[in-house]
Amino acid sequence: DVKVTQSSRYLVKRTGEKVFLECVQDMDHENMFWYRQDPGLGLRLIYFSYDVKMKEKGDIPEGYSVSREKKERFSLILESASTNQTSMYLCASTSQTGFGNTEAFFGQGTRLTVV
Amino acid sequence: AQTVTQSQPEMSVQEAETVTLSCTYDTSESNYYLFWYKQPPSRQMILVIRQEAYKQQNATENRFSVNFQKAAKSFSLKISDSQLGDTAMYFCAFMKLTNDMRFGAGTRLTVKP
Repeated sequence: DVKVTQSSRYLVKRTGEKVFLECVQDMDHENMFWYRQDPGLGLRLIYFSYDVKMKEKGDIPEGYSVSREKKERFSLILESASTNQTSMYLCASTSQTGFGNTEAFFGQGTRLTVV
Repeated sequence: AQTVTQSQPEMSVQEAETVTLSCTYDTSESNYYLFWYKQPPSRQMILVIRQEAYKQQNATENRFSVNFQKAAKSFSLKISDSQLGDTAMYFCAFMKLTNDMRFGAGTRLTVKP
């Protein structure tokens, strides 16, 4: 059974803290993504990675950084958490596209509250 | 960046009826993927249906089917014989062949008994 696992389902952090959200996939996928989900805004892409140590900015990278040292793990880092980063964070992974049954597999989400 | 627009924030349908969710997108690519994902209250995103842009035939998966109009950049989802378990958020998504993947704002569907 394919799996994307996020390290925490719920997280409460203080303003100014450095926050790490971890995501691990066991499908040997090349591509991994971090999205932020807010009501009325849907899923917005923060960063994605198409290979180890490679990353691309999405639509809302400000205030975030990422790390991908191993193929199976993709970390989202909030350098100095702020209350406007309170949100649901979703990790996803996909295999390389081509002509095939590609799809994104998602983690269960991390609901982060910054107080 | 590609944009995906879902113009219906909320919809409702009676059990056993048919409902159509709308999605439009904007891209200059000629080959890409389109998806509908379902997110029930459990928060787990579930793939409902997939369409490859190079295929003219509309995808179907049991009670779910799409109307893919490439020239109009439209990708609607039709749910037939709606069931209570179909109640969820539905997201339309666009993926380039480089794996850049974008989602719409979502449509909250409620199936009423």
